[in-house]
Amino acid sequence: DAKTTQPPSMDCAEGRAANLPCNHSTISGNEYVYWYRQIHSQGPQYIIHGLKNNETNEMASLIITEDRKSSTLILPHATLRDTAVYYCIVRGGTSGTYKYIFGTGTRLKVLA
Amino acid sequence: NAGVTQTPKFQVLKTGQSMTLQCAQDMNHEYMSWYRQDPGMGLRLIHYSVGAGITDQGEVPNGYNVSRSTTEDFPLRLLSAAPSQTSVYFCACGSDRFNQPQHFGDGTRLSIL
Repeated sequence: DAKTTQPPSMDCAEGRAANLPCNHSTISGNEYVYWYRQIHSQGPQYIIHGLKNNETNEMASLIITEDRKSSTLILPHATLRDTAVYYCIVRGGTSGTYKYIFGTGTRLKVLA
Repeated sequence: NAGVTQTPKFQVLKTGQSMTLQCAQDMNHEYMSWYRQDPGMGLRLIHYSVGAGITDQGEVPNGYNVSRSTTEDFPLRLLSAAPSQTSVYFCACGSDRFNQPQHFGDGTRLSIL
């Protein structure tokens, strides 16, 4: 499984877009990128995932670079409730492994 | 639809005691897993199962046992609790389509004195 690198922390003003980067330079062709967040010590909450095309849902947008070596999670209008630790995970591959490898994530603080 | 249910939510044990953390899912997913999260760290995989009767070790399996007799349940057993096992434990389940996201429970906060 490819490993990911994320900045340890970021701040964002309430109402502005939060752009959270993730580097996954060793990703292989059939591995997906997943984003989760963890608010306080609750269970991780799924946000979005993608393979190579940009994805959007009601929570966020995921932008994956053409070479797939990095991605950005975009929260279009951050609110105080978006303050959380955000994890970028790469999973998949020919082995069909279901395992997630968590890093330490990015601690996003949304400021009023 | 409860998703993934973990019990108990909190537990305090003495060193050497044994206990079972329960995890149940109502999503009919084949894959289930257990993670532990220590303060300031990400989640680490303990054990996982790709279906009833099939289990395998993750990154940190020592001191834990699992079994999977049904699709719905995946209990985690601590055989002889140690202070180093003080942590928050999360259970997750996922579809057998490997690119689908996993769903996590709310966790069990375990303290071992």
